[in-house]
Amino acid sequence: QVQLVESGGGVVQPGRSLRLSCAASGFTFRSYSMHWVRQAPGEGLEWVAVISYDGSNKYYADSVKGRFTISRDNSQNTLYLQMNSLRTEDTAVYYCAKDPTGPWGQGTQVTVSS
Amino acid sequence: DIVMTQSPDSLAVSLGARATINCKSSQSVLYSSNNKNYFAWYQHKPGQPPKVLISWASTRESGVPDRFSGSGSGTDFTLTISGLQAEDVAVYYCQQYYSTPWTFGQGTKVEIK
Repeated sequence: QVQLVESGGGVVQPGRSLRLSCAASGFTFRSYSMHWVRQAPGEGLEWVAVISYDGSNKYYADSVKGRFTISRDNSQNTLYLQMNSLRTEDTAVYYCAKDPTGPWGQGTQVTVSS
Repeated sequence: DIVMTQSPDSLAVSLGARATINCKSSQSVLYSSNNKNYFAWYQHKPGQPPKVLISWASTRESGVPDRFSGSGSGTDFTLTISGLQAEDVAVYYCQQYYSTPWTFGQGTKVEIK
């Protein structure tokens, strides 16, 4: 079955960096676009970024543009999210999701706090 | 970006009764070339990832109980839970995947009356 497992979350100070990973299995990873979506405490779902199946196209939410970078390694069936210049408002559970209708991983918590 | 607006924000329903959630998109999510609505409903319970219940506006995902049904086309959609069960207490989100970025409704919290 399709499985997505995120890792790399944690507590980090404002201005620092963090890299999230999402290990995929159970489907042909290299054939699908992949997304990152987040949910801040008490808030709804916010789409963060998408990468095309071959990595040639990437799109970002305005709130993270210029700070976050989405990438993938199709040889390792892994999706990444490099998060730089983190802000307190980036605190959220981050989910990876398979296009177009999931499933989603279990999520990884990112907390940005001094 | 396509704006998704759900109603109501919260809903309290008796066990066994029907729950209805509506979602309106700011523009059509019906792709004319294949006549498919690029629209989904998700169920989100605390401590779990969002789970897709309905895709393509009305296609129930594998394993989803048949008390969940989706309807609508274009810009107006409805999720119906026929015979609410205790395990259905959750927040429900609508989502469009017609265009980037994915956008979500604000969520509807469903509780037991």
